[in-house]
Amino acid sequence: EADIYQTPRYLVIGTGKKITLECSQTMGHDKMYWYQQDPGMELHLIHYSYGVNSTEKGDLSSESTVSRIRTEHFPLTLESARPSHTSQYLCASGALGGHTQYFGPGTRLTVL
Amino acid sequence: GEDVEQSLFLSVREGDSSVINCTYTDSSSTYLYWYKQEPGAGLQLLTYIFSNMDMKQDQRLTVLLNKKDKHLSLRIADTQTGDSAIYFCAESILTGGGNKLTFGTGTQLKVEL
Repeated sequence: EADIYQTPRYLVIGTGKKITLECSQTMGHDKMYWYQQDPGMELHLIHYSYGVNSTEKGDLSSESTVSRIRTEHFPLTLESARPSHTSQYLCASGALGGHTQYFGPGTRLTVL
Repeated sequence: GEDVEQSLFLSVREGDSSVINCTYTDSSSTYLYWYKQEPGAGLQLLTYIFSNMDMKQDQRLTVLLNKKDKHLSLRIADTQTGDSAIYFCAESILTGGGNKLTFGTGTQLKVEL
């Protein structure tokens, strides 16, 4: 089982603020993912990375951006938060030659 | 296209078996998964099955795959109150350099005493 961490777990913030959601994993996984999950809803892939300096947009359009400067770290940034960004954000990782994805505990973001 | 569907809610009594069903549309799926999500938590990988298998058993969990009908099920034997959670099925599709998961809508399992 992968060790994957997300901070903060909960964040309540005002409209217009810049925020960064942190995700890190200690398993040396090359593949990392960000999903957005609305309450009681399915997960939608918003960003993924298959290695350092590699990032791609997922299936669901998102105003957030990501970076992958280090293998273990995959932060997600919102330059100007809006109430429509209120959601749960889940980070996942997987080994390059593997097929399973291991999830972090999630960050629940509320934008007022 | 990719579309994964599940029933939204299932209620069972403690000690009974639970069967959660899932249908998918992409016949090129390589692996299919079952994840469990408890309130306020991330997703926990329960089990997975390779697309050329029909069945996989892991302790109280049995996964059945009908590839012809694109139907996946998860049976939980002797369901306990701790099994109450949302269960997501997901299919894995190979893409350039890796694989992407498409998740179902999730089934809320409620276990009653």
